Amino acid sequence: SFELTQPPSVSVSPGQTASIACSGHKLGDKYASWYQQKPGQSPVLVIYQDNKRPSGIPERFSGSNSGNTATLTISGTQAMDEADYFCQAWDSGNVVFGGGTKLTVL
Amino acid sequence: QIELQQSGPGLVKPSQTLSLTCAISGDSVSSNSAAWTWIRQSPSRGLEWLGRTYYRSKWYNDYALSVKSRITINADTSKNQFSLHLNSMTPDDTAVYYCARGPIAAGAFENWGQGTLVTVSS
Repeated sequence: SFELTQPPSVSVSPGQTASIACSGHKLGDKYASWYQQKPGQSPVLVIYQDNKRPSGIPERFSGSNSGNTATLTISGTQAMDEADYFCQAWDSGNVVFGGGTKLTVL
Repeated sequence: QIELQQSGPGLVKPSQTLSLTCAISGDSVSSNSAAWTWIRQSPSRGLEWLGRTYYRSKWYNDYALSVKSRITINADTSKNQFSLHLNSMTPDDTAVYYCARGPIAAGAFENWGQGTLVTVSS
């Protein structure tokens, strides 16, 4: 079955660039989406269709998807970006989520 | 602005049926461009898509294989809401349950409900 794999954690210093990878077989042939989730809150969509930002999402959030890997990039990371991030794609009519990456800003 | 408001119990006994409702504002449950979806999240399973209902001249349902024998999702057009019914609950079904507005074709979930923590315990 189709699976999406993310690193459990990523650390970044304030103002630096954070990159979170999501890998899956031929993921580049599908659309990848990314969600941010802070403790006790519902997920928030930050990237859809690989690299599009919903209204209200800061420009520092960007995405790419090629080969077997989708990547969420946060430029000029701020303390408020500390959260869990999940990738998501569709495969054969089923929705698949990655296991999530905890982004620590320190 | 689309908002989803969930309601339902936080505690269910083993073998019983979980019923949750998601009230929609800012959109219609009969929309031709949305699928009304239930997703759950637990430490053991992560985020898990459970299923959806959507309208395209008639009502359609898709369910995850993991719960297909136990789940029903239906819409109430008079109240502009949709519901999840999951029977034969076990402690393994303990999770935060979310309703969400998603695409009919492959895509992303733009709007989420506030989540309901459901505990299965006697």
